[in-house]
Amino acid sequence: DAGITQSPRHKVTETGTPVTLRCHQTENHRYMYWYRQDPGHGLRLIHYSYGVKDTDKGEVSDGYSVSRSKTEDFLLTLESATSSQTSVYFCAISEPRADTQYFGPGTRLTVL
Amino acid sequence: GNSVTQMEGPVTLSEEAFLTINCTYTATGYPSLFWYVQYPGEGLQLLLKATKADDKGSNKGFEATYRKETTSFHLEKGSVQVSDSAVYFCALSDRGGGNQFYFGTGTSLTVIP
Repeated sequence: DAGITQSPRHKVTETGTPVTLRCHQTENHRYMYWYRQDPGHGLRLIHYSYGVKDTDKGEVSDGYSVSRSKTEDFLLTLESATSSQTSVYFCAISEPRADTQYFGPGTRLTVL
Repeated sequence: GNSVTQMEGPVTLSEEAFLTINCTYTATGYPSLFWYVQYPGEGLQLLLKATKADDKGSNKGFEATYRKETTSFHLEKGSVQVSDSAVYFCALSDRGGGNQFYFGTGTSLTVIP
C-alpha cells in the first residue's frame, strides 16, 4: 500500500468554524489531490497540487483552500465550515504521466 | 469534456453468481480506464486498469475490456464471493497536465451467502 495518511480520521465541528485536514505521504509523489465523496456524486475533485506551492482548482473548490509547503504534506482548509461540507474527504497521490492514483484512508467530517 | 457513467446500484447477488457492472465514458483524447474498489470504512483501492483500446485489465477474478467503439469498460466476475461486497467505482484518467481522474458515482455490491 502507498504510504498515505490523513488526519484527523474523524471530526465533528460547528458551522462557521475553521477546519484543516492534513494529508501526508511518504512516497515522494509529485501530484496530490483532495476529493470529497458524497452519495450519488461519487468522488469530486476539490483541489490538486502538481508541486510544492503549485496548486489548482478542481470541480468543487468553492469554500476550500489548500496549501503545499513540502512535498509530503497537502493541507485542505475550510475557512468557515458549512453543513453542506459534511462529507468524507479523500487525499490521493500520483506521479506525472503515471496511470494510477493512490488513495488515503479518508476523513469523515461532520459540520453541525 | 470527460465523464463516466456507471450503472445505478445497489446490486445484490447470491454467492457464486455472475457479476456485471456497466460503465461508459465520454472523453477527449485517449484516456486510461480504471476500476477502483472501496471496502467499508476504507479508501479506494485500484482493482484493475487498461491503458488503450482492446486492452483487458484483470485482478482477483475481475475483468474489464477497454472498448473504444462502444466507449465502455464493463466490470465482470464469473463467481462472486461474500468478500467482494464493496462499492465499485469506474474512472478515467485524461493523462493530461495534473493527471486528473474522473469518477463514476459508484455501484454498491452486496453478496449474500
